[in-house]
Amino acid sequence: DIQLTQSPASLSASVGDTVTITCRASENIYSYLAWYQQKQGKSPQLLVYSAKALAEGVPSRFGGSGSGTQFSLKINSLQPGDFGTYYCQHHYGSPPTFGGGTKLEIK
Amino acid sequence: QVTLKESGPGILQPSQTLSLTCSFSGFSLSTSGMGVGWIRQPSGKGLEWLAHIWWDDVKLYNPGLKSRLTISKDTSSRQVFLKIASVDTADTATYYCARMQSTWFAYWGQGTLVTVSA
Repeated sequence: DIQLTQSPASLSASVGDTVTITCRASENIYSYLAWYQQKQGKSPQLLVYSAKALAEGVPSRFGGSGSGTQFSLKINSLQPGDFGTYYCQHHYGSPPTFGGGTKLEIK
Repeated sequence: QVTLKESGPGILQPSQTLSLTCSFSGFSLSTSGMGVGWIRQPSGKGLEWLAHIWWDDVKLYNPGLKSRLTISKDTSSRQVFLKIASVDTADTATYYCARMQSTWFAYWGQGTLVTVSA
């Protein structure tokens, strides 16, 4: 199975900051990577698929990049609603696996 | 508008079979390319994909749990079912169903908490 390693596991930031979360795959997954945001007590919501395509309704402050084994999610000008846990997931065949998550907290 | 809602027993005992139902609207599982998956999340932990089923009845299972999982669908009633046999406390989690778009999870239900306890 393809393993996904996210870093950092957690980070603190302030409203208005720019942050980057990374996801490293154990083998080449081309551009088959999605990102999700999960707020406390809620279900995950799709942000990005195919490494850089924004899901419907996702603000342009969010940006995905990368290919092969190295990927990143960049969030510009953090808003209060952006805090939560972010997960990457590869969608290159089966089984699809998720990264361990990055918890983004308010500083 | 796509919506999904999970339902389950809430609590069950070890060794029993867990039966979950995903009721959805806003799409049809008879449409080419459509799929529904199940993902679970123990409290305070990460996400684990369990299984998914496609419009053409192709089914895929998590290899580590495959012997215990059975996924099925009722297209006319717009429901997908997941059974997990021989549960134990490690199966305690919130269970989500999600509509798939290609091979990512585009729309998620609110989740249903399942507790396995003697």
